Amino acid sequence: LAKTTQPISMDSYEGQEVNITCSHNNIATNDYITWYQQFPSQGPRFIIQGYKTKVTNEVASLFIPADRKSSTLSLPRVSLSDTAVYYCLVGDGPYSSASKIIFGSGTRLSIRP
Amino acid sequence: SQTIHQWPATLVQPVGSPLSLECTVEGTSNPNLYWYRQAAGRGLQLLFYSVGIGQISSEVPQNLSASRPQDRQFILSSKKLLLSDSGFYLCAWSTPGTDGNEQFFGPGTRLTVL
Repeated sequence: LAKTTQPISMDSYEGQEVNITCSHNNIATNDYITWYQQFPSQGPRFIIQGYKTKVTNEVASLFIPADRKSSTLSLPRVSLSDTAVYYCLVGDGPYSSASKIIFGSGTRLSIRP
Repeated sequence: SQTIHQWPATLVQPVGSPLSLECTVEGTSNPNLYWYRQAAGRGLQLLFYSVGIGQISSEVPQNLSASRPQDRQFILSSKKLLLSDSGFYLCAWSTPGTDGNEQFFGPGTRLTVL
């Protein structure tokens, strides 16, 4: 299983764009890259997922370079409510019967007024 | 729509006592089910996962066990709790046969072992 490395913490201000980069040098061919958000005392919530290039949904964008050894979660115009821990993880997920993913320590994002 | 339930929400237990946490999923069939534990200020640790009734895979050797007596029911147990078992326990489900890693988490159980 590919290990991921991401910054322990980041700070930003309301209205700014925040980019969180994650490295996964040993990503396997079948692995997807997935990002979750977690608020205190709650379970993680799925944000976005991708395999290659760029993926965008209503809350974030995910940029994946051609070598797939890293990825960047982009949060446009953050607000105070985006303060949370963000997890990057890779794995082949539910498609495989040996469905396992590993959550690292995540990036603690703090948004200030 | 699918929902996932966990109970109890909080639990305080003495060292050496037994444990039973329950998780149920509604609105889906034959889900993959997972138990995670999160220590204070740490990331999530996968404890068990199940791809079907009676099929349990353990990720970390420990004094915990898991069972799946019904398709949408997942139970985490212990015969004798340790202080180190304290943490936030999360149950999650995912849809088998789909690409990627989208899992849906329950509200969690906060366990304190004294």
